[in-house]
Amino acid sequence: DAKTTQPPSMDCAEGRAANLPCNHSTISGNEYVYWYRQIHSQGPQYIIHGLKNNETNEMASLIITEDRKSSTLILPHATLRDTAVYYCIVRVPRSQGNLIFGKGTKLSVKP
Amino acid sequence: EADIYQTPRYLVIGTGKKITLECSQTMGHDKMYWYQQDPGMELHLIHYSYGVNSTEKGDLSSESTVSRIRTEHFPLTLESARPSHTSQYLCASMGWSTEAFFGQGTRLTVV
Repeated sequence: DAKTTQPPSMDCAEGRAANLPCNHSTISGNEYVYWYRQIHSQGPQYIIHGLKNNETNEMASLIITEDRKSSTLILPHATLRDTAVYYCIVRVPRSQGNLIFGKGTKLSVKP
Repeated sequence: EADIYQTPRYLVIGTGKKITLECSQTMGHDKMYWYQQDPGMELHLIHYSYGVNSTEKGDLSSESTVSRIRTEHFPLTLESARPSHTSQYLCASMGWSTEAFFGQGTRLTVV
């Protein structure tokens, strides 16, 4: 699975959009980008995933650059409850590979 | 709502005791994972399984062992607990949807 790089921490004002970047410059053609988040010490929760087109669901939007070497997770209107560690993972769907979480980005949403 | 359960949620046990942390899922997922996480630190994969009778060690060396006799059950055992084993242990499963589901975790304290 390709390696990802994320900033260790970010702050965001409540009600504003939170834009979390992820670099995955060694991503291969059949690898998808996945985002999870971990609130406090709960188990991580799946947010969204995509291959090359932008994706949106009820939780967030995922923007993937045309060369697929980086992506941005967007929380359009961050709330205090969005404070969490956000993990970007790239992997081949349904592969037998490990599911490895890196250090992620600690997002702090402030009032 | 994910159908993956871990028991116990909290466990305080003396040094030298044998313990088994239980993880069960009712989703028929083939892939299951065990992670170890200290407070404020990253998730470390310690064991995973692709299916019945398949177990592999993860990226972090662990003195624990696992078994996968049934699809739905993936217990983790420590033969002789030590204070260095104090941590949170998280179990996850994944099916063909490629979205991983996590249990609530077991907080283990060895005194």
